[in-house]
Amino acid sequence: EIVLTQSPGTLYLSPGEGATLSCRASQTVSSSYLTWYQQKPGQAPRVLIYGASSRATGIPDRFSGSGSGTHFTLTISRLEPEDFAVYYCQQYDSSPGLTFGGGTKVEIK
Amino acid sequence: QVQLQESGPGLVKPSETLSLTCTVSGASVSHYYWSWIRLPPGSGLDWIGHVSHSGGASYNPSLKNRVTISLDTSKNQFSLKLSSVTAADTAMYYCTRVRYCSTTTCYPNYYYYMDVWGKGTTVTVSS
Repeated sequence: EIVLTQSPGTLYLSPGEGATLSCRASQTVSSSYLTWYQQKPGQAPRVLIYGASSRATGIPDRFSGSGSGTHFTLTISRLEPEDFAVYYCQQYDSSPGLTFGGGTKVEIK
Repeated sequence: QVQLQESGPGLVKPSETLSLTCTVSGASVSHYYWSWIRLPPGSGLDWIGHVSHSGGASYNPSLKNRVTISLDTSKNQFSLKLSSVTAADTAMYYCTRVRYCSTTTCYPNYYYYMDVWGKGTTVTVSS
């Protein structure tokens, strides 16, 4: 299976700062099948970015995704108070299937 | 507006079968893929598997021998059955809608992502 490793595990930042989250794959991932989710405490995850760089409906343009091959990045240009959450990357491969990264928690410094 | 609602027992005994149902409103289960995801306490998201609009399913290899996901088009629902549960299966369980178009069908604009999630249901495995 494809293992996704997210770094850092926790990111301590202040509102207004920028955030860069990394997702590295153990083997090449199709960009079209690379997705980023945000999860807040007590809530279900929501999709932010699909196809590595396409924003989902209703997602603010301060969120952007990039990357290819084995390294993908989620960038938040200016953190808003509601952006402090856990972020997961996810890839899909028809066989053996889908995997998530372990997550990056963005906390208020 | 598409909404998903998980239902089922919140407590299951070890070695028994966990059964959950996801009721879909605002969309037909015959038109999309649907999946189950879980979040164990203190851990990250874990994919259980998905079922296609025609009823074919694909599972996480680590769970393959214990899991069944099926579709009930008459009730517009899909369900999860996980057998021989242990404490390691204690988690929040989410059902989701999957937006999926394969490389075969949609090249070069193929995609796979989960765009609608239920609120989740907590399942505890304990005697």
